[in-house]
Amino acid sequence: AQSVTQPDIHITVSEGASLELRCNYSYGATPYLFWYVQSPGQGLQLLLKYFSGDTLVQGIKGFEAEFKRSQSSFNLRKPSVHWSDAAEYFCAVVPYSSASKIIFGSGTRLSIRP
Amino acid sequence: ETGVTQSPTHLIKTRGQQVTLRCSSQSGHNTVSWYQQALGQGPQFIFQYYREEENGRGNFPPRFSGLQFPNYSSELNVNALELDDSALYLCASSLGGPNTEAFFGQGTRLTVV
Repeated sequence: AQSVTQPDIHITVSEGASLELRCNYSYGATPYLFWYVQSPGQGLQLLLKYFSGDTLVQGIKGFEAEFKRSQSSFNLRKPSVHWSDAAEYFCAVVPYSSASKIIFGSGTRLSIRP
Repeated sequence: ETGVTQSPTHLIKTRGQQVTLRCSSQSGHNTVSWYQQALGQGPQFIFQYYREEENGRGNFPPRFSGLQFPNYSSELNVNALELDDSALYLCASSLGGPNTEAFFGQGTRLTVV
């Protein structure tokens, strides 16, 4: 079955520490891949996207993600987190055949320890 | 600010009632998608409209319906509300196509009592 999995429901990291949020997808072909962030009570903001080409993608707010075809993964990373990064993070895919229907993972809530 | 505005921001309805949610898309965008986000979950695709025609639908019953107007703004209508319809409803506008960025509104928080 087609799916997007974010195995970590909640992660807490110290301010200034590095961050990696995991995402795995299950589709017949490599879909378009995205990471979104949602602050409490807010809509979704696109952090970065992967369509093709270089497997290391740079996004806004100092985030990057690496696409690994062999592992069907698209993990999000940041070298040094800031207190303002506390939010909910969603990995998402758009299958080629979906007419731009976005399929979201269940999200990972990030808390920052002072 | 994404340029996508939704109204109202919050509302409370009684089970069995009907509700209409509105979305004004970003200037120039001809595609609007609606998503339902239950508490603690990721958004679920409801349907998409492209140039006033439905262009894909998720696994939602027919009591969820929509419209897109010539100015590309959109409405989501839900009839016979159920308690499980309580959620954040998100609207996203885009230029269409799987490789274009979707811009999300702030959402409408619907509570059904």
